[in-house]
Amino acid sequence: EQQVQQSPASLVLQEAENAELQCSFSIFTNQVQWFYQRPGGRLVSLLYNPSGTKQSGRLTSTTVIKERRSSLHISSSQITDSGTYLCAKNTGYQNFYFGKGTSLTVIP
Amino acid sequence: EAAVTQSPRNKVTVTGGNVTLSCRQTNSHNYMYWYRQDTGHGLRLIHYSYGAGNLQIGDVPDGYKATRTTQEDFFLLLELASPSQTSLYFCASSEGLRAETLYFGSGTRLTVL
Repeated sequence: EQQVQQSPASLVLQEAENAELQCSFSIFTNQVQWFYQRPGGRLVSLLYNPSGTKQSGRLTSTTVIKERRSSLHISSSQITDSGTYLCAKNTGYQNFYFGKGTSLTVIP
Repeated sequence: EAAVTQSPRNKVTVTGGNVTLSCRQTNSHNYMYWYRQDTGHGLRLIHYSYGAGNLQIGDVPDGYKATRTTQEDFFLLLELASPSQTSLYFCASSEGLRAETLYFGSGTRLTVL
């Protein structure tokens, strides 16, 4: 069973547009982490958001525990934002389950 | 910033070959992990460890062994490599039991011919 589902699978934006990425969980979680990855590159932690709304620069994450979902909003997208965004949940037993990611392409 | 270093960066071997992937972290994290990343599957946990000498089985352990020799070093061993193990492998580390995040290495691209 896919415990973490992400949508959309891919997204193309023009520079300066906003992006909204979604993550849903088949099983309750209160530990949600968003990561960023360049093609074939290292994963970098963006935001840890167990509940409510968290912001870091142009990134805003909203997690609604009872609805088992989390979103990542990217405002004023830049070409350098292109890459794959993954969300993950921590089961609490040191096992992070990852979604398959959303591939974001920002064009001029 | 936590530092996780993987080697080699790229590796090509033949079916039946022996491969060892290395990972070192320099922040004294207790937990270390090996993941594989494949198109259509995302990241999947192979093995993880919470200290030297400890090993826990992940979600896709078949065909893989791992060993944690020190707090810093975690190795992934493929003793009879198969083409299905062609993948991008990531090592990661984290702090305590309910860590907020993982710190990843740059990955090892393994090709089994």
